[in-house]
Amino acid sequence: GAVVSQHPSRVICKSGTSVKIECRSLDFQATTMFWYRQFPKQSLMLMATSNEGSKATYEQGVEKDKFLINHASLTLSTLTVTSAHPEDSSFYICSARGELGYNEQFFGPGTRLTVL
Amino acid sequence: GENVEQHPSTLSVQEGDSAVIKCTYSDSASNYFPWYKQELGKGPQLIIDIRSNVGEKKDQRIAVTLNKTAKHFSLHITETQPEDSAVYFCAARDTGFQKLVFGTGTRLLVSP
Repeated sequence: GAVVSQHPSRVICKSGTSVKIECRSLDFQATTMFWYRQFPKQSLMLMATSNEGSKATYEQGVEKDKFLINHASLTLSTLTVTSAHPEDSSFYICSARGELGYNEQFFGPGTRLTVL
Repeated sequence: GENVEQHPSTLSVQEGDSAVIKCTYSDSASNYFPWYKQELGKGPQLIIDIRSNVGEKKDQRIAVTLNKTAKHFSLHITETQPEDSAVYFCAARDTGFQKLVFGTGTRLLVSP
């Protein structure tokens, strides 16, 4: 399957700081990228959907000013957690979907964010 | 909107046995059903998928079946191995919003 990378894999930051997570589709062009959040032993919760060159669409209950998403190119999307607080600590996973085949959706390896 | 239910939540089998995980969906407009395997601390990995115009698909030891009338689909793993131990998620995607809706996950444990 196609490869999606995510960086960093793990980040620890102090409360009040901002953290940026990068997501890249390595061998295909991703017209649509998704950002998920996952708590321990739970399913994936969709946070937002982004299309290259346009504003992200956020799911109900997700603060767009806190979770800034930029889909700058067909291979790169970034998630910035602004003014992070301990309750933002979680596993963040990006996903990318291309236009080839049957629009399969591939996931990155995830980023473990810990806010102290 | 779409709602996906997944059972069982945990499944323990002996190595070599078969494992079956079942999902039901609510929206008849859904037409794409992928299955993902997630190992501890990693992102989900697409292992097999099926579209609504197909009833069954097989890839080596794994297979997926779809019953559109009953709105349920199942993952079948034969000859299980310890490395199959992971959490498995089913999902459904509709033609409208094009978003995957995930089941709650099944923790599969294969004992040697």
